[in-house]
Amino acid sequence: TQLLEQSPQFLSIQEGENLTVYCNSSSVFSSLQWYRQEPGEGPVLLVTVVTGGEVKKLKRLTFQFGDARKDSSLHITAAQPGDTGLYLCAGGGYGQNFVFGPGTRLSVLP
Amino acid sequence: GAGVSQSPRYKVAKRGQDVALRCDPISGHVSLFWYQQALGQGPEFLTYFQNEAQLDKSGLPSDRFFAERPEGSVSTLKIQRTQQEDSAVYLCASSLEGAGVNNEQFFGPGTRLTVL
Repeated sequence: TQLLEQSPQFLSIQEGENLTVYCNSSSVFSSLQWYRQEPGEGPVLLVTVVTGGEVKKLKRLTFQFGDARKDSSLHITAAQPGDTGLYLCAGGGYGQNFVFGPGTRLSVLP
Repeated sequence: GAGVSQSPRYKVAKRGQDVALRCDPISGHVSLFWYQQALGQGPEFLTYFQNEAQLDKSGLPSDRFFAERPEGSVSTLKIQRTQQEDSAVYLCASSLEGAGVNNEQFFGPGTRLTVL
């Protein structure tokens, strides 16, 4: 069974600060996705990374896929209250369904 | 509608009752997924349909859980003889193509099931 761990579990920061959250596994994934989920809603896809070492930027968000395809990080620059939510990573394998991590719950205080 | 819709949004059931949860995927989407999300956890895969075919049901926790998608569009997740441990948010997602590493899944808002 492929498992994903995410850290930290909870993070509370002030507006304007930078932060990094992590997604780790002992398994190799062919791709990894990051989602953000707000209360009462389903997860919304932020990015998919497929190549080891790949870095993708989405405005103030930077995503990196580890060289060994076992881990990933999400870095947010100058966090804003609108970034508040549950950040989920999900790993996929060829012909397999995605496995989700438990999430990092981020709170950005104004 | 433009997105995935689920109904009801909230369901309270007494232990032992049967429940049926509905998912309306995005029109034309081939794949449909059901997930269970317990409080404070990430979604856990339950089952996957490609059109009307149920290709993977390995995540269904017991034989009390049953899902169908008879015409390859709307899907229903049925839970028989509900137990308290079934309390969770049930998420439905659809994607344009079959399950694959780059296919984006679009999630509905979920149905929050509470079993008393």
